[in-house]
Amino acid sequence: QKEVEQDPGPLSVPEGAIVSLNCTYSNSAFQYFMWYRQYSRKGPELLMYTYSSGNKEDGRFTAQVDKSSKYISLFIRDSQPSDSATYLCATHGSSNTGKLIFGQGTTLQVKP
Amino acid sequence: NAGVTQTPKFQVLKTGQSMTLQCAQDMNHNSMYWYRQDPGMGLRLIYYSASEGTTDKGEVPNGYNVSRLNKREFSLRLESAAPSQTSVYFCASRLPTLEQYFGPGTRLTVT
Repeated sequence: QKEVEQDPGPLSVPEGAIVSLNCTYSNSAFQYFMWYRQYSRKGPELLMYTYSSGNKEDGRFTAQVDKSSKYISLFIRDSQPSDSATYLCATHGSSNTGKLIFGQGTTLQVKP
Repeated sequence: NAGVTQTPKFQVLKTGQSMTLQCAQDMNHNSMYWYRQDPGMGLRLIYYSASEGTTDKGEVPNGYNVSRLNKREFSLRLESAAPSQTSVYFCASRLPTLEQYFGPGTRLTVT
């Protein structure tokens, strides 16, 4: 079993839709969770960073962590064509080396 | 403030050739990382350097070597390239609070 699992998609939605992107993780000791956005042929850029359980909101983006079910989500409200990208979830795991464990990434397309 | 820079952007090698991928960061971060990204495999850690003068293996280190030249620079070397090393390579550096920042990547093809 992979430590972080993510459905690769692709996911296609119309402009303005609410998008839900999800990951599951295997180890209940994981505490730090991140979402990265990667445009085609570019490097990943940090979108959201959360610690432990709960929600964190930044503009149209909300990151949610449910530690009881080992589930992390990224919601995008009022999705735009510019949101079309691959979204990667990551956790630093339980190591103090700062190594990140990434999900496979979900490719999102927002159609005008 | 350029963040994380990588050179070259693209490279084509023949099997058995060697090359060094360069990475530099201007954010004064202690920790730096090298990843490879392949379709369907996500990002996999090759090597990392927790601080200047230290390096450690990641998930897929075979066929690679690294050098942490100073606090700013962390290079990745392929001594004898193989077609299985065809990939996109990303360098990253890390804040003390664990967020990692990535460079633009190097696209490497080994024929």
